[in-house]
Amino acid sequence: EPEVTQTPSHQVTQMGQEVILRCVPISNHLYFYWYRQILGQKVEFLVSFYNNEISEKSEIFDDQFSVERPDGSNFTLKIRSTKLEDSAMYFCATSQVGNTIYFGEGSWLTVV
Amino acid sequence: AQRVTQPEKLLSVFKGAPVELKCNYSYSGSPELFWYVQYSRQRLQLLLRHISRESIKGFTADLNKGETSFHLKKPFAQEEDSAMYYCALSGTSGTYKYIFGTGTRLKVLA
Repeated sequence: EPEVTQTPSHQVTQMGQEVILRCVPISNHLYFYWYRQILGQKVEFLVSFYNNEISEKSEIFDDQFSVERPDGSNFTLKIRSTKLEDSAMYFCATSQVGNTIYFGEGSWLTVV
Repeated sequence: AQRVTQPEKLLSVFKGAPVELKCNYSYSGSPELFWYVQYSRQRLQLLLRHISRESIKGFTADLNKGETSFHLKKPFAQEEDSAMYYCALSGTSGTYKYIFGTGTRLKVLA
């Protein structure tokens, strides 16, 4: 069964550094999402991406965050200048059409 | 306001006992409701969606629009059911973003 894959699985970065998290969607999926889960808290929506542009974003998704799909396959989340509070598990998710979404295994980001 | 409420953070039951994980929602419109399961250190996996009305791993959930609930049930819990369970809702158009509840950790005791 096709799966959403994410890299890296775990990254430790210093505060202020840039981080890029990568996601390979399921091949025929058209909608892409990033969610995050701070340790012990609920899964929160960050951003949705369709037709090569952001379709919706949450309050969390401020100017420090950006997404793109540079090569038609990878879907990336960039955090320009990481803060301690960005430490979380970041999940990529994709869907074909309609609203059953499939999650990747997550990228655990630790900012020190 | 759009919201999903899972009132129990932790639910412990003995193997073979019935399980009910509660989920209530608030949404202006007709949402789609889902249950996702997360086993230790693994990805979120779709367990159920209300429109398919199917039973997965013995779990069922019925959407009650009057009570705005979508409780997850299983008649006989098994140890391998121990996991984190998230209720989520989505709109039926637009970006289909999900709103998650805070999750309930189910522990099935031997």
